[in-house]
Amino acid sequence: SAVISQKPSRDICQRGTSLTIQCQVDSQVTMMFWYRQQPGQSLTLIATANQGSEATYESGFVIDKFPISRPNLTFSTLTVSNMSPEDSSIYLCSVDGSPVRVDTQYFGPGTRLTVL
Amino acid sequence: AQSVTQPDIHITVSEGASLELRCNYSYGATPYLFWYVQSPGQGLQLLLKYFSGDTLVQGIKGFEAEFKRSQSSFNLRKPSVHWSDAAEYFCAVSAGGGNKLTFGTGTQLKVEL
Repeated sequence: SAVISQKPSRDICQRGTSLTIQCQVDSQVTMMFWYRQQPGQSLTLIATANQGSEATYESGFVIDKFPISRPNLTFSTLTVSNMSPEDSSIYLCSVDGSPVRVDTQYFGPGTRLTVL
Repeated sequence: AQSVTQPDIHITVSEGASLELRCNYSYGATPYLFWYVQSPGQGLQLLLKYFSGDTLVQGIKGFEAEFKRSQSSFNLRKPSVHWSDAAEYFCAVSAGGGNKLTFGTGTQLKVEL
Protein backbone atom coordinates (compact mmCIF):
# COMPACT_ATOMS: atom_id res chain seq x y z
CA SER A 1 0.00 0.00 0.00
CA ALA A 2 0.97 3.63 -0.42
CA VAL A 3 3.10 5.45 2.12
CA ILE A 4 1.27 8.51 3.38
CA SER A 5 2.78 11.32 5.40
CA GLN A 6 1.20 14.31 7.07
CA LYS A 7 2.70 17.56 8.26
CA PRO A 8 2.63 18.75 10.93
CA SER A 9 2.17 15.72 13.15
CA ARG A 10 0.81 17.93 15.91
CA ASP A 11 0.36 21.60 16.63
CA ILE A 12 -0.96 23.92 19.30
CA CYS A 13 -2.64 27.02 17.91
CA GLN A 14 -4.34 30.13 19.19
CA ARG A 15 -8.00 30.72 18.54
CA GLY A 16 -8.71 32.85 15.48
CA THR A 17 -5.68 31.64 13.56
CA SER A 18 -5.49 29.16 10.67
CA LEU A 19 -3.46 26.01 10.16
CA THR A 20 -2.70 24.23 6.91
CA ILE A 21 -2.14 20.48 7.05
CA GLN A 22 -0.28 18.74 4.27
CA CYS A 23 -0.81 15.20 3.04
CA GLN A 24 1.77 13.60 0.76
CA VAL A 25 1.56 10.13 -0.78
CA ASP A 26 4.38 8.29 -2.49
CA SER A 27 2.33 7.23 -5.52
CA GLN A 28 -0.35 8.73 -7.70
CA VAL A 29 -3.85 8.21 -6.36
CA THR A 30 -7.22 9.16 -7.73
CA MET A 31 -9.02 10.20 -4.59
CA MET A 32 -7.89 11.74 -1.33
CA PHE A 33 -10.11 12.20 1.68
CA TRP A 34 -9.95 14.32 4.82
CA TYR A 35 -11.46 13.06 8.07
CA ARG A 36 -11.83 14.59 11.52
CA GLN A 37 -11.66 12.63 14.74
CA GLN A 38 -12.80 14.68 17.69
CA PRO A 39 -11.57 13.65 21.16
CA GLY A 40 -12.99 10.28 22.11
CA GLN A 41 -15.06 10.13 18.94
CA SER A 42 -15.10 8.22 15.70
CA LEU A 43 -14.01 9.54 12.33
CA THR A 44 -16.18 11.84 10.27
CA LEU A 45 -15.51 12.68 6.63
CA ILE A 46 -14.93 16.36 5.98
CA ALA A 47 -14.48 16.28 2.23
CA THR A 48 -13.29 14.32 -0.77
CA ALA A 49 -10.57 15.84 -2.94
CA ASN A 50 -10.09 14.93 -6.57
CA GLN A 51 -7.28 16.40 -8.61
CA GLY A 52 -8.39 19.16 -10.93
CA SER A 53 -11.79 19.73 -9.39
CA GLU A 54 -13.34 21.38 -6.39
CA ALA A 55 -13.48 19.33 -3.22
CA THR A 56 -16.82 17.79 -2.29
CA TYR A 57 -17.85 18.62 1.26
CA GLU A 58 -20.01 16.59 3.60
CA SER A 59 -23.01 18.03 5.34
CA GLY A 60 -21.92 20.26 8.19
CA PHE A 61 -18.58 21.20 6.64
CA VAL A 62 -18.05 24.28 4.47
CA ILE A 63 -15.30 25.45 2.19
CA ASP A 64 -14.79 28.74 4.01
CA LYS A 65 -13.93 26.89 7.20
CA PHE A 66 -12.03 23.96 5.66
CA PRO A 67 -10.55 24.98 2.30
CA ILE A 68 -8.87 22.11 0.51
CA SER A 69 -6.38 22.05 -2.33
CA ARG A 70 -5.44 19.12 -4.56
CA PRO A 71 -2.84 20.42 -7.01
CA ASN A 72 -1.65 17.02 -8.23
CA LEU A 73 -2.15 13.28 -7.81
CA THR A 74 0.18 12.92 -4.80
CA PHE A 75 -0.55 15.93 -2.62
CA SER A 76 -3.39 17.70 -0.82
CA THR A 77 -3.78 20.31 1.87
CA LEU A 78 -6.53 21.01 4.37
CA THR A 79 -6.73 24.39 6.05
CA VAL A 80 -8.59 24.83 9.32
CA SER A 81 -9.59 28.49 9.32
CA ASN A 82 -10.44 30.89 12.10
CA MET A 83 -9.94 28.17 14.65
CA SER A 84 -11.81 27.77 17.91
CA PRO A 85 -11.26 25.24 20.72
CA GLU A 86 -14.01 23.10 19.16
CA ASP A 87 -11.65 22.46 16.23
CA SER A 88 -9.29 20.54 18.51
CA SER A 89 -9.20 17.14 16.84
CA ILE A 90 -7.07 14.70 14.97
CA TYR A 91 -7.22 15.36 11.24
CA LEU A 92 -6.46 12.40 9.02
CA CYS A 93 -6.04 12.15 5.31
CA SER A 94 -6.66 8.95 3.46
CA VAL A 95 -6.11 7.84 -0.12
CA ASP A 96 -7.69 5.21 -2.27
CA GLY A 97 -5.64 2.22 -3.28
CA SER A 98 -5.10 3.32 -6.88
CA PRO A 99 -4.60 1.79 -9.31
CA VAL A 100 -5.56 -1.68 -8.09
CA ARG A 101 -7.49 -1.30 -4.85
CA VAL A 102 -9.58 1.79 -5.49
CA ASP A 103 -12.28 0.52 -3.11
CA THR A 104 -9.93 0.56 -0.14
CA GLN A 105 -8.72 3.59 1.81
CA TYR A 106 -5.34 3.88 3.49
CA PHE A 107 -4.74 6.43 6.18
CA GLY A 108 -1.95 8.77 7.09
CA PRO A 109 -0.66 9.09 10.66
CA GLY A 110 -2.87 12.08 11.42
CA THR A 111 -2.33 15.63 12.64
CA ARG A 112 -3.22 16.27 16.27
CA LEU A 113 -4.47 19.85 16.61
CA THR A 114 -5.05 21.63 19.89
CA VAL A 115 -6.65 25.08 19.83
CA LEU A 116 -6.31 27.25 22.91
CA ALA B 1 -28.05 6.19 4.44
CA GLN B 2 -25.39 3.79 5.56
CA SER B 3 -24.55 3.37 9.23
CA VAL B 4 -22.40 1.20 11.47
CA THR B 5 -23.02 0.14 15.05
CA GLN B 6 -20.36 -1.17 17.36
CA PRO B 7 -22.28 -2.10 20.51
CA ASP B 8 -19.28 -2.51 22.78
CA ILE B 9 -17.46 0.68 23.72
CA HIS B 10 -14.90 -1.07 25.91
CA ILE B 11 -13.80 -4.70 26.06
CA THR B 12 -11.23 -6.23 28.40
CA VAL B 13 -9.74 -9.65 27.74
CA SER B 14 -6.88 -11.60 29.22
CA GLU B 15 -3.82 -12.22 27.11
CA GLY B 16 -4.19 -15.54 25.31
CA ALA B 17 -7.98 -15.45 25.44
CA SER B 18 -10.14 -15.32 22.34
CA LEU B 19 -11.67 -12.10 21.11
CA GLU B 20 -14.79 -11.13 19.21
CA LEU B 21 -15.67 -7.53 18.42
CA ARG B 22 -19.15 -6.92 17.12
CA CYS B 23 -20.15 -4.80 14.17
CA ASN B 24 -23.60 -4.33 12.65
CA TYR B 25 -24.19 -2.28 9.55
CA SER B 26 -27.10 -0.76 7.72
CA TYR B 27 -26.82 -0.46 3.97
CA GLY B 28 -29.25 -0.99 1.15
CA ALA B 29 -27.03 -2.88 -1.27
CA THR B 30 -24.04 -5.16 -0.91
CA PRO B 31 -21.68 -3.31 1.40
CA TYR B 32 -17.94 -2.97 1.31
CA LEU B 33 -16.86 -3.68 4.89
CA PHE B 34 -13.64 -2.91 6.69
CA TRP B 35 -11.96 -3.23 10.05
CA TYR B 36 -9.27 -0.74 11.02
CA VAL B 37 -7.13 -0.55 14.15
CA GLN B 38 -5.83 2.62 15.77
CA SER B 39 -3.05 2.36 18.32
CA PRO B 40 -2.54 5.28 20.71
CA GLY B 41 -1.23 8.32 18.87
CA GLN B 42 -1.30 6.53 15.53
CA GLY B 43 -3.30 6.66 12.35
CA LEU B 44 -5.58 3.87 11.19
CA GLN B 45 -4.23 0.60 9.91
CA LEU B 46 -6.35 -1.65 7.72
CA LEU B 47 -6.84 -5.08 9.29
CA LEU B 48 -9.08 -6.67 6.68
CA LYS B 49 -11.88 -6.03 4.24
CA TYR B 50 -14.80 -7.79 2.61
CA PHE B 51 -16.18 -7.02 -0.81
CA SER B 52 -17.60 -10.30 -2.08
CA GLY B 53 -16.96 -14.03 -2.21
CA ASP B 54 -15.94 -16.10 0.77
CA THR B 55 -17.68 -14.65 3.80
CA LEU B 56 -14.81 -15.49 6.14
CA VAL B 57 -11.91 -13.16 5.47
CA GLN B 58 -8.44 -13.30 6.89
CA GLY B 59 -6.48 -10.22 7.78
CA ILE B 60 -3.19 -9.17 9.23
CA LYS B 61 -2.00 -9.87 12.78
CA GLY B 62 -4.03 -13.10 12.98
CA PHE B 63 -7.44 -11.41 12.75
CA GLU B 64 -10.40 -12.72 10.81
CA ALA B 65 -13.94 -11.50 10.24
CA GLU B 66 -17.12 -13.14 9.07
CA PHE B 67 -19.75 -11.45 6.93
CA LYS B 68 -23.29 -12.56 7.76
CA ARG B 69 -25.79 -10.94 5.45
CA SER B 70 -28.81 -12.30 7.32
CA GLN B 71 -27.63 -10.61 10.52
CA SER B 72 -26.10 -7.52 8.86
CA SER B 73 -22.97 -8.25 10.83
CA PHE B 74 -19.25 -8.28 10.24
CA ASN B 75 -17.69 -9.40 13.53
CA LEU B 76 -13.95 -9.39 14.06
CA ARG B 77 -12.28 -12.33 15.79
CA LYS B 78 -8.91 -13.46 17.00
CA PRO B 79 -8.31 -16.85 18.64
CA SER B 80 -5.56 -15.69 21.01
CA VAL B 81 -5.04 -12.06 21.95
CA HIS B 82 -1.60 -10.59 22.52
CA TRP B 83 -0.87 -7.62 24.77
CA SER B 84 0.14 -5.62 21.68
CA ASP B 85 -3.43 -5.92 20.37
CA ALA B 86 -4.58 -3.30 22.89
CA ALA B 87 -5.93 -0.50 20.71
CA GLU B 88 -9.14 0.96 19.35
CA TYR B 89 -10.90 -0.95 16.62
CA PHE B 90 -13.18 0.64 14.05
CA CYS B 91 -15.62 -1.07 11.74
CA ALA B 92 -16.50 0.84 8.57
CA VAL B 93 -18.76 0.50 5.55
CA SER B 94 -18.73 2.07 2.13
CA ALA B 95 -20.55 1.80 -1.17
CA GLY B 96 -17.26 1.00 -2.90
CA GLY B 97 -15.95 2.74 -5.97
CA GLY B 98 -14.02 5.34 -4.04
CA ASN B 99 -16.97 6.40 -1.93
CA LYS B 100 -16.60 7.62 1.62
CA LEU B 101 -16.20 5.39 4.64
CA THR B 102 -18.79 5.52 7.38
CA PHE B 103 -17.29 4.47 10.68
CA GLY B 104 -18.71 2.97 13.82
CA THR B 105 -17.96 4.58 17.15
CA GLY B 106 -15.12 2.20 17.86
CA THR B 107 -14.35 -0.45 20.48
CA GLN B 108 -11.50 0.14 22.89
CA LEU B 109 -9.71 -3.13 23.63
CA LYS B 110 -7.76 -3.57 26.83
CA VAL B 111 -5.60 -6.65 27.32
CA GLU B 112 -4.84 -7.85 30.82
CA LEU B 113 -1.56 -9.64 31.35
